[in-house]
Amino acid sequence: QVQLQESGPGLVKPSETLSLTCTVSGYSISSGYYWGWIRQTPGKGLEWIGSMYHSGRTNYNPSLKSRVAISVDTSKNQLSLKLTSVTAADTAIYYCTRLAYVVLVPAWFDTWGQGTLVTVSS
Amino acid sequence: SYELTQPPSVSVSPGQTARIACSADALPKQYASWYQQKPGQAPVVVIYKDNERPSGIPERFSGSSLGTTATLTISGVQAEDEADYYCQSADSSGTYVIFGGGTRLTVL
Repeated sequence: QVQLQESGPGLVKPSETLSLTCTVSGYSISSGYYWGWIRQTPGKGLEWIGSMYHSGRTNYNPSLKSRVAISVDTSKNQLSLKLTSVTAADTAIYYCTRLAYVVLVPAWFDTWGQGTLVTVSS
Repeated sequence: SYELTQPPSVSVSPGQTARIACSADALPKQYASWYQQKPGQAPVVVIYKDNERPSGIPERFSGSSLGTTATLTISGVQAEDEADYYCQSADSSGTYVIFGGGTRLTVL
């Protein structure tokens, strides 16, 4: 059974960098799928941040692309998220996800972490 | 920007059929998936590739897609189905992931 567990600071100051790690168990990142992040602002909808294949190919939400970096460490079976220059608008629950592609098109998220709340505040 | 449009809310009585629509111009070319999210929990996929149901999801959940509209149908709604439901697809180029705004299903 594949499990994803997010970890990282729950509080980040404005203008600083948000950094999160996701530890994957029950499946090797190197075996396939895309791995990435989705966020949900309190009381609102879901926003895809980006996804990455273990080979290094990445795909980011155009609205966040200039501030986002997703990386994968296959030796630790982990993925990471960095979001720079954060503001209060980046306060959200951040979910680690596994994304299935069909014929080179992102299709569905079959596994989610429990999510971690990150608050941006001084 | 590309959007998936869902009704904000749907209400049904127990035992009735709930239908939640999701509309977008690119849906004839892209698959739709549906997620159920209960309070305080992460979303769970209930339908993928328009009409495929993951193992463990009750048979009362089904999906369809025709033209620019994808539909999640819940037959014989139960109280436990009360949740937020999100549709998800890809943009017309097949590059980016898009979510609908979500529909709150209320079981009366």
